[in-house]
Amino acid sequence: QVQLKESGPGLVAPSQSLSITCTVSGFSLTSYGVSWVRQPPGKGLEWLGVIWGDGSTNYHSALISRLSISKDNSKSQVFLKLNSLQTDDTATYYCAKGAYYGNYIDYWGQGTTLTVSS
Amino acid sequence: DIVLTQSPASLAVSLGQRATISCRASQSVSTSSYSYMHWYQQKPGQPPKLLIKYASNLESGVPARFSGSGSGTDFTLNIHPVEEEDTATYYCQHSWEIPPWTFGGGTKLEIK
Repeated sequence: QVQLKESGPGLVAPSQSLSITCTVSGFSLTSYGVSWVRQPPGKGLEWLGVIWGDGSTNYHSALISRLSISKDNSKSQVFLKLNSLQTDDTATYYCAKGAYYGNYIDYWGQGTTLTVSS
Repeated sequence: DIVLTQSPASLAVSLGQRATISCRASQSVSTSSYSYMHWYQQKPGQPPKLLIKYASNLESGVPARFSGSGSGTDFTLNIHPVEEEDTATYYCQHSWEIPPWTFGGGTKLEIK
């Protein structure tokens, strides 16, 4: 069955960089897009970006200068890197599988919580 | 970027009654064949769950008391009759053409 699992550092100091790994199973990264979505504590969902099966990417316009998404198809892993962290980057970060047609999200990981604090 | 405005931000509905949530897009997200608007349910401490895709298509396993409608810029999620387990926050999201695929601000549903 389809599964996604995020792993991240939990706590990062301001101005530092964040790296989160999403390990997937049950589908091929060469055939489906994977999106990243975050949710600050007590707030709504924010779509961050997507990496497509061919490795191309699209990013949220407000984060395009700080955000990078990449993947390793052979390891079934997708990577999110966010630079120059600020306290308002504190959130739960989800990776999520896109449907083959229509690009809606049909499966989500459980999320990994990030706190940006000194 | 397409902005999605959900209303209301919160609502309380009596058990067995109808809950109606609206999502308005800043531009059309529909073609003559499909509407690229989708609905998710999120319960506390859990990731979101897909309820409805393409505005009105119920995801497999989702109870038939959930329904969606709309096209163009105006979309609606209905839940009838509401049950206690429907207590959650509901989000719309579009997937129109090129990203970003924004979410609405969310609607928190309480069952009285």
